[in-house]
Amino acid sequence: QVQLVESGGGLVKPGGSLRLSCTASGFTFSDYFMSWVRQAPGKRLEWLSYISTTSVYTNYADSVRGRFTISRDNALNTVYLQMNSLTNEDTAVYYCARDDEERGRDVWGHGTSVTVSS
Amino acid sequence: DIQMTQSPSTLSASVGDRVIITCRASQSVNNYLAWYQQKPGKAPNLLIYKASTLESGVPPRFTGRGSETEFTLTISSVQPDDFAVYYCQEYKSYSGTLGQGTKVEIK
Repeated sequence: QVQLVESGGGLVKPGGSLRLSCTASGFTFSDYFMSWVRQAPGKRLEWLSYISTTSVYTNYADSVRGRFTISRDNALNTVYLQMNSLTNEDTAVYYCARDDEERGRDVWGHGTSVTVSS
Repeated sequence: DIQMTQSPSTLSASVGDRVIITCRASQSVNNYLAWYQQKPGKAPNLLIYKASTLESGVPPRFTGRGSETEFTLTISSVQPDDFAVYYCQEYKSYSGTLGQGTKVEIK
């Protein structure tokens, strides 16, 4: 079935780095834009970044621009989020999602938790 | 950037009540508007897309209406499983801005 599975979360110290992965199955990954969305504890969903089908287009929220980098490998059906210079404010559950032109963000992963703490 | 504003932030309801959540866009998003339900510890779940199209498997008590900048999500008769947080999201832009969420809680 259509599925997204995130991995790579964990505990990291302030100033540290982490790379999240999201592997897709059950659909033609290379046909879809992909996004990362996060949710800090008790807070709203926050869109972070998207990447186009062939990686030509990317964009970032102001809160992460210059620190986070999105990329994808269509041969591996995987989208990545490289996170650098992490702060306590980056503590959140990170979700990847499929962006469909007609249906919006129609498929979501289960999320991976990132905790930034000394 | 398109801004999305939901109201109210919190809504208290009893089982069987009719509930209406409003979402306003800072500029026209045509009908590229989706609604999601999120329960604690879970990923968001798509309920409605294209402002009014019910996602497969979603009960018909959920109804979406609106266009351009004004949208509503109505639950005709709230059931125990519906107590959750609801988000609207525009997808006219690639970034797909989300609203701040509306928590539907038990009165």
